[in-house]
Amino acid sequence: NAGVTQTPKFQVLKTGQSMTLQCAQDMNHEYMSWYRQDPGMGLRLIHYSVGAGITDQGEVPNGYNVSRSTTEDFPLRLLSAAPSQTSVYFCASTQIVGNSPLHFGNGTRLTVT
Amino acid sequence: GESVGLHLPTLSVQEGDNSIINCAYSNSASDYFIWYKQESGKGPQFIIDIRSNMDKRQGQRVTVLLNKTVKHLSLQIAATQPGDSAVYFCAENRAGGTSYGKLTFGQGTILTVHP
Repeated sequence: NAGVTQTPKFQVLKTGQSMTLQCAQDMNHEYMSWYRQDPGMGLRLIHYSVGAGITDQGEVPNGYNVSRSTTEDFPLRLLSAAPSQTSVYFCASTQIVGNSPLHFGNGTRLTVT
Repeated sequence: GESVGLHLPTLSVQEGDNSIINCAYSNSASDYFIWYKQESGKGPQFIIDIRSNMDKRQGQRVTVLLNKTVKHLSLQIAATQPGDSAVYFCAENRAGGTSYGKLTFGQGTILTVHP
């Protein structure tokens, strides 16, 4: 049981480039989400999904797109990277029923130059 | 918007001491609170949670206390060990139902345990 798996672990992009951060979970969790973590700040919610085909915006959605074609996968896309998107990105998942805790992946460290 | 905050950004303790990490929240509608531990290079790891209808919950070496009157949350770690050194985050869920996973995180407290 791998839990929440994020790839890649590290990525460097130039301004304007695009890329997709991958997230997969093998716990059959309906809920998945993306957070970003910046120095001195807590995690901030980017986008989330309560099931396949359903996505919604979080606190800081601008510059990011998501889709949820399967229960297992929840990729995060940066269409045109900006230096302000330099951050550590965490994917998390949990069950829909009840207030279950979020399970986090180990993050993707992204640098945009 | 409203947010969860921490009183102390850093905490240093000696091995074997008890540690107390504090957290203030501002939204009285929050009904679920969680503590996470984050080690360097890793994602947050669930420690313990508590619902708003409880004042105290205990786990293995950890206790969470919730004071709804003053909107205060604390994490107590008994017999702190060097392996407890990490950043600790409190988080709140501001509403039940489908927003259970839309947690709002505090800034974090760095706990350093000296041998």
